[in-house]
Amino acid sequence: QAGLTQPPSVSKGLRQTATLTCSGNSNNVGDEGAAWLQQHQGHPPKLLSYKNNNRPSGISERFSASRSGNTASLTITGLQPEDEADYYCSAWDSSLNAWVFGGGTKLTVL
Amino acid sequence: QVHLVQSGAEVKKPGASVKVSCKASGYTFTDYYMHWVRQAPGQGLEWMGRINPNSGGTRYALKFQGRVTMTWDTSITTAYMELNRLGSDDTVMYYCARARPGPDYAFDVWGQGTMVTVSS
Repeated sequence: QAGLTQPPSVSKGLRQTATLTCSGNSNNVGDEGAAWLQQHQGHPPKLLSYKNNNRPSGISERFSASRSGNTASLTITGLQPEDEADYYCSAWDSSLNAWVFGGGTKLTVL
Repeated sequence: QVHLVQSGAEVKKPGASVKVSCKASGYTFTDYYMHWVRQAPGQGLEWMGRINPNSGGTRYALKFQGRVTMTWDTSITTAYMELNRLGSDDTVMYYCARARPGPDYAFDVWGQGTMVTVSS
């Protein structure tokens, strides 16, 4: 099944701002918006935001999501060492009747 | 506190079946769908399908239709995922994850994962 497109890797310095992108189409990101998940090595994913910019309780305000057309973005401000992880976007695809994921972006905090 | 606790690692032979369980606690089991997502080592996430514990309704990803069965037991708040005709590319980590019904809501609580190894 077709998935969402994310850059494989992004590197940013400590306390800088990183913006991760996720490209889809009008049947998924452009229609229902995207969710973002963070995954540290050896751990299950953790939900950061859903329906573009709703954060579950306990998620830092340093994480904010947005959408423009068929592209969703996750912005992380004031990068910390613990932000180094893999980040996945996900969206419901109304044509596939399935949830689809991006391939993930590995964020490195220098 | 909400928890999803999965069954332990499995080793299976090619062609066999595996059934993974996911015990939910800390919330009303029937208020949330249970999804199953898998991840090959070092790879991305792949949605397998979901079950609605309120109605028993299921929706499976096209790739797994005919090979996967998702069930549940409300009395013990446990969801199950059974995958048949295992091959070497089914050697992956399997996760359960809950989500409220509807496309607006994503997977807010995840199980710890169950590693399934398919080897002769």
